[in-house]
Amino acid sequence: GAGVSQSPSNKVTEKGKDVELRCDPISGHTALYWYRQSLGQGLEFLIYFQGNSAPDKSGLPSDRFSAERTGGSVSTLTIQRTQQEDSAVYLCASSLPSLDAFFGQGTRLTVV
Amino acid sequence: EDQVTQSPEALRLQEGESSSLNCSYTVSGLRGLFWYRQDPGKGPEFLFTLYSAGEEKEKERLKATLTKKESFLHITAPKPEDSATYLCAVQGGSNYKLTFGKGTLLTVNP
Repeated sequence: GAGVSQSPSNKVTEKGKDVELRCDPISGHTALYWYRQSLGQGLEFLIYFQGNSAPDKSGLPSDRFSAERTGGSVSTLTIQRTQQEDSAVYLCASSLPSLDAFFGQGTRLTVV
Repeated sequence: EDQVTQSPEALRLQEGESSSLNCSYTVSGLRGLFWYRQDPGKGPEFLFTLYSAGEEKEKERLKATLTKKESFLHITAPKPEDSATYLCAVQGGSNYKLTFGKGTLLTVNP
């Protein structure tokens, strides 16, 4: 596609439920990032995928968070047993290695 | 650990009043310094990448410069549509993640 696509754009879930957030990167981009942006905070790195290499998971805040990237393209970020502090905008970006990263519009997650 | 500090946190300008935003950074082996614009409710929009000290890039009313310790985003004769949050990020060493500052909220009044 023309840009990075994320779905859903908004998600409201009950505390304790699991959620899946999807990212479709720009075609041909081998690098994919997930970030989290909380109200009034900067972008917090979560995870980075590059081709077939092992992902850099160093930013995942707890073992409730996981992500996968199937076929080197689409990525899914899963949050298990959601908590209120997980409420944030989750942003995905893709790039060619070491080049400009382009972001999607984000998924706004609200845990009630 | 890479660090990015942006200042000021917020800046109000009158239309046509030029100014600069600052991004100070510490990084081990800079791969690139990135500037993004973010409008409310939207994802960050890519503006520039700078790779080495002395480099400059321009786009319309925006000009980004880079030294070994900081980057400036100069805004010349801003218009109300330039109002947004401007984010700075660095990528360094063998680590491909982007480390972001908290941004500068720019408001340009007509």
